[in-house]
Amino acid sequence: DAGVIQSPRHEVTEMGQEVTLRCKPISGHNSLFWYRQTMMRGLELLIYFNNNVPIDDSGMPEDRFSAKMPNASFSTLKIQPSEPRDSAVYFCASSPNPGQSSGANVLTFGAGSRLTVL
Amino acid sequence: ELKVEQNPLFLSMQEGKNYTIYCNYSTTSDRLYWYRQDPGKSLESLFVLLSNGAVKQEGRLMASLDTKARLSTLHITAAVHDLSATYFCAVDPLRGRSQGNLIFGKGTKLSVKP
Repeated sequence: DAGVIQSPRHEVTEMGQEVTLRCKPISGHNSLFWYRQTMMRGLELLIYFNNNVPIDDSGMPEDRFSAKMPNASFSTLKIQPSEPRDSAVYFCASSPNPGQSSGANVLTFGAGSRLTVL
Repeated sequence: ELKVEQNPLFLSMQEGKNYTIYCNYSTTSDRLYWYRQDPGKSLESLFVLLSNGAVKQEGRLMASLDTKARLSTLHITAAVHDLSATYFCAVDPLRGRSQGNLIFGKGTKLSVKP
C-alpha cells in the first residue's frame, strides 16, 4: 500500500492567493482527518470525515478554510484567501475506523504539505 | 474540552541513560496513542494503549497507561542516538466507539547525545 498521499509537498504563495491541498487516503479506510502543525500551537485537528461526510469542522480556524471529500479516495483542503499566519505543515491522516466499541483506531499520516504564505 | 499535556517538552539525554516522558490528560478516555516524528517527516504510530494498566514495549521504549490517574508514560531505557525525535501522545476524546479524532499533546523533543 502506498500509504496516505498528499500533494503538493511544498507550496510557496503570496498573501491573498488561493491554496488547495490534496489528499488520497489509504484504500479501505473510511475516516479522514486534516491536521495543521505549527511550532506555536502544535498539532491541531481541523476537520474530519467519516464515510465522506464531515463530522466535526470546529477546528477550522475561519471561513477562509474549507474542506471537501467528494469520494472515498480524495479530499481537498482549500484556503481562500491565504494569509501569512496560515503558514504551517498540513497533514492528512486516515484510519480504518472499524466501528468496534473498544478497538484501536490508529491514524496513518501522510508526509504533509508545507505551506508558506509570503 | 479535552487537554493533553506532555512533559518535559524538551529532553536532552546522554546515550545509555534512562528517562521517562509523561502524558497527562484532562477527561476520561480509554484509548491513548504514542507517535514518533523525525525532523521534517510525518508521524509514525508507536503504541496503542486500550485499557487501564496496559503496557507495551518495543525495543528500548515502553509505554504504560493508568486511566484512573489519566496518565501515560513513555520510558526510555539505555537511550541511543537513533531515538532522537519528537514523541507525541494522543488521546481519543470519546469512550466506546471511536471516531479517531485524536487530540495531541505538544510533543517532547528528545535529543540523545553521545
